Amino acid sequence: KQEVTQIPAALSVPEGENLVLNCSFTDSAIYNLQWFRQDPGKGLTSLLLIQSSQREQTSGRLNASLDKSSGRSTLYIAASQPGDSATYLCAVLNAGNMLTFGGGTRLMVKP
Amino acid sequence: DTGVSQNPRHKITKRGQNVTFRCDPISEHNRLYWYRQTLGQGPEFLTYFQNEAQLEKSRLLSDRFSAERPKGSFSTLEIQRTEQGDSAMYLCASSVRDRINEKLFFGSGTQLSVL
Repeated sequence: KQEVTQIPAALSVPEGENLVLNCSFTDSAIYNLQWFRQDPGKGLTSLLLIQSSQREQTSGRLNASLDKSSGRSTLYIAASQPGDSATYLCAVLNAGNMLTFGGGTRLMVKP
Repeated sequence: DTGVSQNPRHKITKRGQNVTFRCDPISEHNRLYWYRQTLGQGPEFLTYFQNEAQLEKSRLLSDRFSAERPKGSFSTLEIQRTEQGDSAMYLCASSVRDRINEKLFFGSGTQLSVL
């Protein structure tokens, strides 16, 4: 059974800092890995999708990397802003047709 | 609006009552998923449809839960005889069939509170 873990569970940083969120998964037989953002009481917004054959994806200030063999992914956020405050969820898609999520990292960026 | 739509946004019910939620996926998406999320946790898979066929069901989906997707369009999730432990956010997502690039688009969810 696939298990996804995210560290840290919560993070508070001053505005402007670069930060790294970590995600690990136990079964490396994945199709892809996605990073989502979730604002309080809202649904999920997909940020980045990395195919199993890819090493990284970039979108604006966000960069996600994937090391499938070691079961790890990182989400790098450059020059953080208060508007980045949200919960960030990592999820992997495997052969079971289900997306397995980590518990999320709650990020607070202080002005 | 071409996103995934869920109704209602919030539902408050008394224990023992039945509730039904609706999800309208993005029109060209043939896959539809239901997830449940409790406070401070990541979403957990409940069930999955490809067109009108329900192909996967989680062990979390007890006998009190039933999901349908008639005609492969919208889907409903019904919970019978609700319990306080059913209180959660119920999320629907849809996608197109492309295993490597399958990207799920989520609705805003239905927040269920069972009193």
